[in-house]
Amino acid sequence: EAEVAQSPRYKITEKSQAVAFWCDPISGHATLYWYRQILGQGPELLVQFQDESVVDDSQLPKDRFSAERLKGVDSTLKIQPAELGDSAMYLCASSFHATAPEKLFFGSGTQLSVL
Amino acid sequence: DQQVKQNSPSLSVQEGRISILNCDYTNSMFDYFLWYKKYPAEGPTFLISISSIKDKNEDGRFTVFLNKSAKHLSLHIVPSQPGDSAVYFCAASGGSGNTGKLIFGQGTTLQVKP
Repeated sequence: EAEVAQSPRYKITEKSQAVAFWCDPISGHATLYWYRQILGQGPELLVQFQDESVVDDSQLPKDRFSAERLKGVDSTLKIQPAELGDSAMYLCASSFHATAPEKLFFGSGTQLSVL
Repeated sequence: DQQVKQNSPSLSVQEGRISILNCDYTNSMFDYFLWYKKYPAEGPTFLISISSIKDKNEDGRFTVFLNKSAKHLSLHIVPSQPGDSAVYFCAASGGSGNTGKLIFGQGTTLQVKP
């Protein structure tokens, strides 16, 4: 079964450093999501892409976070500079389209620890 | 403003018994509801969903019930197995300007004891 690929699985960094996460959605899925999950809480949407366009980035801290999906396939989420409060699991998800209600397929996530 | 709420952080049941996980929502425009299961250090995996035009959906040991008037849904697992021990998230989508994004509850940790 096709899966959403994410890398790295784990990332440890010091505060003020830059970090980047990569996601490759399921082939043919036009919609890609980046969620952040803090321990003890549910996943929260950071940014949503439809093909290469941003659909929703209202919860993305744009002073330090950036996301791109240049060719409408894979995507990169960057944090610069990282802060202690950024420690969380970063989840990528994809779906075939966003115009009809459907489930999202999640990757295994990147567990970020900021020291 | 927490639009999807799971008020029980944890639940412990005996193997073979029924597990009931609850979820409440505030946005009456939500029209699609899902349950996800998550193991530590892994991404959420889809379990079961229900459209707002239905009040029940069943898939093997898993059944989701939707009460629109009460803005409440529940997940029943019968019989519960030790492998069901995980964090369960309720999620919802829909409303004006729907983009397909899911809004998640805080999660309930289920422990099934042998």
